[in-house]
Amino acid sequence: EAGVVQSPRYKIIEKKQPVAFWCNPISGHNTLYWYLQNLGQGPELLIRYENEEAVDDSQLPKDRFSAERLKGVDSTLKIQPAELGDSAVYLCASSLDGVGYTFGSGTRLTVV
Amino acid sequence: KNEVEQSPQNLTAQEGEFITINCSYSVGISALHWLQQHPGGGIVSLFMLSSGKKKHGRLIATINIQEKHSSLHITASHPRDSAVYICAVSPGADGLTFGKGTHLIIQP
Repeated sequence: EAGVVQSPRYKIIEKKQPVAFWCNPISGHNTLYWYLQNLGQGPELLIRYENEEAVDDSQLPKDRFSAERLKGVDSTLKIQPAELGDSAVYLCASSLDGVGYTFGSGTRLTVV
Repeated sequence: KNEVEQSPQNLTAQEGEFITINCSYSVGISALHWLQQHPGGGIVSLFMLSSGKKKHGRLIATINIQEKHSSLHITASHPRDSAVYICAVSPGADGLTFGKGTHLIIQP
């Protein structure tokens, strides 16, 4: 099995530009998570989906961040416009009702 | 909100040493995870525990639910074990709450 697949692995953009990240979770996993990980810190939850419904987006900065999981499978996370402080690793993970957490390799975003 | 504390934050040891990393949390959980993250790499799940002890190769994880404490042990440590080890707890399907990680370096 491929595991949780994220793309791109690395992205460098200029500030104020838009950027999007993509995640394909483990087949059959109904819960999908997007985490933000700053250097030297543990990941922090941005948004959690159960199937196609965003059930916890309380930590998502909604003025510039958006996410979708239209068919309850793949998900995209978008930032528009990006700021210098958004430079971080964006991790996607999935689970089946909280079991079998599996993480993707992450997307390392650098905003210059 | 659950607070997850790990110790030590940084650990440097010689190859072959027995390594212990500790994790404590403040609120009851349904499961505790030990994760490994290599520099520039993604996160790999090592263990998920809800009670007792689990062993996989040279790695051993234990949890004491009453004391809200878990330990990760590495026997016969090797330079390839060098990584960040992260403790994370979950109340269930909600997102994990992570510790800040322990940066482990094993020197040859």
